[in-house]
Amino acid sequence: DSGVTQTPKHLITATGQRVTLRCSPRSGDLSVYWYQQSLDQGLQFLIQYYNGEERAKGNILERFSAQQFPDLHSELNLSSLELGDSALYFCASSVGVAGDETQYFGPGTRLLVL
Amino acid sequence: AQTVTQSQPEMSVQEAETVTLSCTYDTSESNYYLFWYKQPPSRQMILVIRQEAYKQQNATENRFSVNFQKAAKSFSLKISDSQLGDTAMYFCAFSSYLIQGAQKLVFGQGTRLTINP
Repeated sequence: DSGVTQTPKHLITATGQRVTLRCSPRSGDLSVYWYQQSLDQGLQFLIQYYNGEERAKGNILERFSAQQFPDLHSELNLSSLELGDSALYFCASSVGVAGDETQYFGPGTRLLVL
Repeated sequence: AQTVTQSQPEMSVQEAETVTLSCTYDTSESNYYLFWYKQPPSRQMILVIRQEAYKQQNATENRFSVNFQKAAKSFSLKISDSQLGDTAMYFCAFSSYLIQGAQKLVFGQGTRLTINP
């Protein structure tokens, strides 16, 4: 158990819908990262937050957005869902932003868009 | 942009054997970090080992060790005395320190390792 929690574990929804994935980092960690794991694209970095501020952006679609709240939990919002958004979404956390931070991953949220 | 390549999609060995998983990467940065993560059937991503690029000494964690060749941009993982519980997908990852306070992991495509009894 990494100490990172993600809810829900599974999510099934329809095209065009909007969903919210939630992540709570390890106790004491200030950085949160989101990754998408799909069969065709592999594991891809989406976005990073540090202490409530966006710090880095990767291959995140405009239909996707995220935020980190004062209690440091983070949410990833996916809207206008398409079949291709079906994937495993991971949240990871690390202590800070020193550049040599080891990221610890949550169990993931498996999203299925029908 | 940084890239990570794992040239072995699948590998299979017998229990107690030693196995080496290959990883190469491409970067123009001089200071970076490399990781191996394990993803068992539960799909959880578990850190196996990490290596700092500025360190010449290869990292070791119990039965897991790496062979880091900076000039060749190679970062292989050796698993000694392999166990059934080592069966998993293994991902090599490069830590890109983008700007002050920003970081992301770039992953390879993974190697599916099966340990046979």
